Amino acid sequence: KAGVTQTPRYLIKTRGQQVTLSCSPISGHRSVSWYQQTPGQGLQFLFEYFSETQRNKGNFPGRFSGRQFSNSRSEMNVSTLELGDSALYLCASSYTGTSGRSSYEQYFGPGTRLTVT
Amino acid sequence: AQKITQTQPGMFVQEKEAVTLDCTYDTSDQSYGLFWYKQPSSGEMIFLIYQGSYDEQNATEGRYSLNFQKARKSANLVISASQLGDSAMYFCATWSGATNKLIFGTGTLLAVQP
Repeated sequence: KAGVTQTPRYLIKTRGQQVTLSCSPISGHRSVSWYQQTPGQGLQFLFEYFSETQRNKGNFPGRFSGRQFSNSRSEMNVSTLELGDSALYLCASSYTGTSGRSSYEQYFGPGTRLTVT
Repeated sequence: AQKITQTQPGMFVQEKEAVTLDCTYDTSDQSYGLFWYKQPSSGEMIFLIYQGSYDEQNATEGRYSLNFQKARKSANLVISASQLGDSAMYFCATWSGATNKLIFGTGTLLAVQP
């Protein structure tokens, strides 16, 4: 079974630009979560999507947004990039049962390393 | 609110020796889970081991074991017979069932020396 894939793996953008990152979950997984990892703040939860709906959201400004498609693939978008947005962005997928409850077993992708100059 | 504390920013261990990475947690949930992830320099988070709060026995996965002491709210990771490939960042985390998210500690950088 293929793992979680993220594209692109590396990205360099300029302040003020916007960026879109993509995540393809493991086949059969319908929940996709996004995390930001920085040296200063560590690993922080951005949001979780399930069945094309944002189900949970972390404490990030509105410049950070996301969406999920019917095939469970997810994208996250950051508008008006700031230097502080430079980070490793990790996507994780998990299985969700018919009750809508997601498994705690999160499978992570390799991440997208974003550098803002 | 849940919180994970890892007090060791970095650790050294000799190859083939055992090493313990510390983790304490704080949660108001009655039922919770504790995790350890390994993150090599490539960036990917690799799941190592899981302990449920109601599991009476300590979890083990190959060379990894989790020393779970509920009363002390600690969930230390023990790596036996360290290998050079174990050099990486190690994160302790807990799962928030209410918000479907992992809450991570700050991590411990482990360096295995030959």
